[in-house]
Amino acid sequence: AQRVTQPEKLLSVFKGAPVELKCNYSYSGSPELFWYVQYSRQRLQLLLRHISRESIKGFTADLNKGETSFHLKKPFAQEEDSAMYYCALRGGWNQGGKLIFGQGTELSVKP
Amino acid sequence: GAVVSQHPSWVICKSGTSVKIECRSLDFQATTMFWYRQFPKQSLMLMATSNEGSKATYEQGVEKDKFLINHASLTLSTLTVTSAHPEDSSFYICSAREDRGNEKLFFGSGTQLSVL
Repeated sequence: AQRVTQPEKLLSVFKGAPVELKCNYSYSGSPELFWYVQYSRQRLQLLLRHISRESIKGFTADLNKGETSFHLKKPFAQEEDSAMYYCALRGGWNQGGKLIFGQGTELSVKP
Repeated sequence: GAVVSQHPSWVICKSGTSVKIECRSLDFQATTMFWYRQFPKQSLMLMATSNEGSKATYEQGVEKDKFLINHASLTLSTLTVTSAHPEDSSFYICSAREDRGNEKLFFGSGTQLSVL
C-alpha cells in the first residue's frame, strides 16, 4: 500500500539555522515524490519534485530509495519559509496517478 | 501559470441540504481531477479521482452516494455533498492534472463547508 509518513507535526527553528523536514514513504514500485507547501491562507503549491533534481527557494530534497526517504532540506531557514509542508507520493498510472499526502509538517522560523 | 478556480470558497448550510462545489481549470484542459478533504492542520485525504466522461473512482471508505462527483467537461468537475450533516463540515480541495506537458497538478484554493 502507498503511504507517506512525516513524523514531525511541528518543527520550530531560528532564522539562519538549517532545517530538515523528514519524509518516509512506502511503495512497492518506483514512486514519484513531491514536496508541496501551503503558506498561510494560500492554496497548496508545488515546491519541488524529485525527478527535477532542482533547488527551489533554497530547498533541496534527495530521494533515497534504500531508506525510502525524501527529506526536505535548507541550509539557512528564513522567516518567510514558515508554512505547512506536505510530502506526497504519486504512484503509477495503473493507480490513476493519484497523489497521496503525508500528514504535513508545520515549519515555524523564528526571528 | 495554470490556475484552478474553486467555488465557493466557503459555504454554510443547514443539516439535510445539499451543497455543490465547483472546480474549474481556467487555462488548461484536465481530463483528471482529484477531490481532497482536509481537517485543520492535518493531511489532505484523497476522496476520489474524477475522470471526464466517466464515473469517478472513490477511495475506500468514501460514500459515493454521499459525495457525488460529475466531470462533464475537460475544465469542470463538481462535488456535491448530499444531505449534509455536521460531520461533513471540513475543508474540501480540488486539484486538476494538466493533460499536456509534464502533467503537473494544480490546486484550487479550497472550500470551507460548515453544516449547522
